[in-house]
Amino acid sequence: GAVVSQHPSRVICKSGTSVKIECRSLDFQATTMFWYRQFPKKSLMLMATSNEGSKATYEQGVEKDKFLINHASLTLSTLTVTSAHPEDSSFYICSARVTGVYTEAFFGQGTRLTVV
Amino acid sequence: AQSVTQLGSHVSVSEGALVLLRCNYSSSVPPYLFWYVQYPNQGLQLLLKYTTGATLVKGINGFEAEFKKSETSFHLTKPSAHMSDAAEYFCAVLGGATNKLIFGTGTLLAVQP
Repeated sequence: GAVVSQHPSRVICKSGTSVKIECRSLDFQATTMFWYRQFPKKSLMLMATSNEGSKATYEQGVEKDKFLINHASLTLSTLTVTSAHPEDSSFYICSARVTGVYTEAFFGQGTRLTVV
Repeated sequence: AQSVTQLGSHVSVSEGALVLLRCNYSSSVPPYLFWYVQYPNQGLQLLLKYTTGATLVKGINGFEAEFKKSETSFHLTKPSAHMSDAAEYFCAVLGGATNKLIFGTGTLLAVQP
C-alpha cells in the first residue's frame, strides 16, 4: 500500500513557541490531505482538509490562525501549531488520498505533541 | 449526513476466541465503509473496506466484515483472536458529499492469555 510519512513522531515544545509537523506521501501524489487530532482514548477529530495549491478547509471550531496548514506540493502538507499552549498537547495524525481515488486514505504514524 | 456508531468501547476476549466488534452506520447514500486498526502511539492502518460488490469483505490479519444493508451494520469479526490483535479499532464511513472519513468512537480490544 501507499506510504505516508509524518515527522516528527514526538515533539516537546515550550509554551508560546510554534511547532511544524510534516506529512509526506512517499510514493503517490496526494491532492488532498487531512489533519486529525486525537485526544487520549478518544476518536479522531478532523481538523481540516488540505488541498494542494489552495487554502485549507477548516472544520467548525478549529482556529485557522492557530493551526496553519500549507499544502505546497502534491506530496507535502504541513501543520504549524502557532503559539502553542499546554491545551494543544495531543496526538496529531495526517492522512493522504491518492489523487482521484476517493475510496481509501492512508495515514501517517502520528505526532505526539507535548507543550510544557 | 453520514454517521457511525460503535457499540462497546472496550471488548475483552480470550486468546483463540471469536472477535466481534460492532459497527452500525447511518447514510443517505450507498455507503463506503472501513475498518482501521490503531496500535499505541501510531497512525491508522486499513484492515478492510467495503465499496461495492460482495458484501463479505476479507481483510488483513484474518479479519473480515459483512455489509448488511437491512441492518445498517458492518461488524468486524475474526474467528480466533491472537495476542497481537490487541489494539484500538475504528469503523468509518465515507461522507457522501464531502468525501471525508467519519469515524466511530473506537473499540479497544483486549486479548487475554
